[in-house]
Amino acid sequence: DAGVIQSPRHEVTEMGQEVTLRCKPISGHDYLFWYRQTMMRGLELLIYFNNNVPIDDSGMPEDRFSAKMPNASFSTLKIQPSEPRDSAVYFCASSFMTGKSQYFGPGTRLLVL
Amino acid sequence: DAKTTQPPSMDCAEGRAANLPCNHSTISGNEYVYWYRQIHSQGPQYIIHGLKNNETNEMASLIITEDRKSSTLILPHATLRDTAVYYCIVGGGADGLTFGKGTHLIIQP
Repeated sequence: DAGVIQSPRHEVTEMGQEVTLRCKPISGHDYLFWYRQTMMRGLELLIYFNNNVPIDDSGMPEDRFSAKMPNASFSTLKIQPSEPRDSAVYFCASSFMTGKSQYFGPGTRLLVL
Repeated sequence: DAKTTQPPSMDCAEGRAANLPCNHSTISGNEYVYWYRQIHSQGPQYIIHGLKNNETNEMASLIITEDRKSSTLILPHATLRDTAVYYCIVGGGADGLTFGKGTHLIIQP
């Protein structure tokens, strides 16, 4: 398996633009997680899905952030409009069943100017 | 806030065993202990997890005290590639992970 795939790997955009981050989980995994990492706040859970259904989105910073999982093999995290404070590395992870390990993607490095 | 306490940094000589401690005194009965690591500029990598019993895999061993209030991750023969931030996390398994600051392990040649 190729592991968790994220795209793009790097994104540079201007404040106010819409940003869409993409994730393909490992085939067969039924949990998908979105995390954000910054120097100031470390790694934070934003939202997670089970069987394509959002379970906990309490970590989503504000209404500018939204996440979808239209099918078992694809998820998006959208920021609209983007702001400089959204600059971070965004990781997607997937896992199979409860109590099991999460496998992280390589991350998307987002810079909002 | 993270439910674990780890030293911010540790050094270990290459070839030696690296023993990383973690305190989790408020762990509840159904919570697992997970260890992940993050090598610079990469995504976190799962290492090992356990509930009550000690666990071993090809990467490391996990020793959990009988009262489950602390644990130790052991890398038996550390190499330079093991230099990373190591995170000890407790959780129920179905939820997302709550990362603390971790321990920055530096393997010295």
